[in-house]
Amino acid sequence: DGGITQSPKYLFRKEGQNVTLSCEQNLNHDAMYWYRQDPGQGLRLIYYSQIVNDFQKGDIAEGYSVSREKKESFPLTVTSAQKNPTAFYLCASRGRVHRSEKLFFGSGTQLSVL
Amino acid sequence: AQTVTQSQPEMSVQEAETVTLSCTYDTSESNYYLFWYKQPPSRQMILVIRQEAYKQQNATENRFSVNFQKAAKSFSLKISDSQLGDTAMYFCAFMKTETSYDKVIFGPGTSLSVIP
Repeated sequence: DGGITQSPKYLFRKEGQNVTLSCEQNLNHDAMYWYRQDPGQGLRLIYYSQIVNDFQKGDIAEGYSVSREKKESFPLTVTSAQKNPTAFYLCASRGRVHRSEKLFFGSGTQLSVL
Repeated sequence: AQTVTQSQPEMSVQEAETVTLSCTYDTSESNYYLFWYKQPPSRQMILVIRQEAYKQQNATENRFSVNFQKAAKSFSLKISDSQLGDTAMYFCAFMKTETSYDKVIFGPGTSLSVIP
């Protein structure tokens, strides 16, 4: 089945540590997105990529980094510079269904600080 | 820059009744997509309904329908015959058309509780 896979489902970070969240899609989509969601809040855009080897900062990029070396993969690194990383992270790709566009979401990664 | 506003942080509705969730947005684009996504306690994002701005006819999907007012930049969601499974966070979202793979902007969400 085609879709987006995020891993791990739960991740714990020690202070001063960098951690990487995985996002893989087999939908052949060009555009991919990373969102952060705090409890009871909306989705805030961290980074997005329109094509391989290209990405742009979203609204809250500080303390995060991404890469897009392959079309299928868009990993997000939460660096030690991100002082409040505890949140739910959602990855999405953009594609066409029945001649209309939509976002396809992964099942998310919950990141917590030890 | 595009913005999406949802003015109702929380709403509740009796089972089998009808409820309307509000969404307004700001853009200078003439063509775009608008979406309502549902996020139940599982936190999986589920597409409820979408509207293309160039279409005048309001989208409907079974018990879900929208009232799209392009000039007023308003995009409300009506849920008819509310069911317990409709309890979730609902997010309104804006997407430019495929001429530009740009940001996709979400509103802050409305938490809907369906009461038995």
